[in-house]
Amino acid sequence: QSALTQPASVSGSPGQSITISCTGTSSDVGGYNYVSWYQQHPGKAPKLMIYEVSNRPSGVSNRFSGSKSGNTASLTISGLQAEDEADYYCSSYTSSSTYVVFGGGTKLTVL
Amino acid sequence: QVQLVQSGAEVKKPGASVKVSCKASGYTFTGYYMHWVRQAPGQGLEWMGWINPNSGGTNYAQKFQGRVTMTRDTSISTAYMELSRLRSDDTAVYYCARDVGVGFLEGSMDVWGQGTTVTVSS
Repeated sequence: QSALTQPASVSGSPGQSITISCTGTSSDVGGYNYVSWYQQHPGKAPKLMIYEVSNRPSGVSNRFSGSKSGNTASLTISGLQAEDEADYYCSSYTSSSTYVVFGGGTKLTVL
Repeated sequence: QVQLVQSGAEVKKPGASVKVSCKASGYTFTGYYMHWVRQAPGQGLEWMGWINPNSGGTNYAQKFQGRVTMTRDTSISTAYMELSRLRSDDTAVYYCARDVGVGFLEGSMDVWGQGTTVTVSS
């Protein structure tokens, strides 16, 4: 069982917006502003899309945005495109000896 | 450009050890923590631990303590992850990934290696 909880799957049509949630505890998501989101296409390495809750690395589309409320972080993708279809993982810094915890991943399907 | 290049695929027998390398280029190797993350077939990402390339200090996930060793060679900007007493459920793709923090640990990973497939089979 993963430390952070994500929905197994979400879907949306091209042009729509979707949101993926990531629920943790006060020891991780709720306690630190070090939440990240990764996109992973099949057979590829993960790609950082959001760090520090809402910051986008250079080169990442502004269609991707992040937020946090309490122990739950969210990734929103607006203007869905076919190439957004992928697995998405959240992660957080944690005060436990683990230091980093991941969510179980969410499969995004673009209909 | 900033990149991490990992060693090639490995096939090991149960009980053996594997050592994966991760060569960094395009940035100051000692300036950023390095993480190791693995992904079993069809499964999610699993954090294994980090190494501070500057000091050599390490921290391992409890699940791997006693079986994993992370080291580095600053002269060739390379990090290593060795996993011993391999079992079939260690079959996975192993990634090295650079922490975004400059000189400190944040937990976000902005540069990833291409992954190394380790297959454990008798």
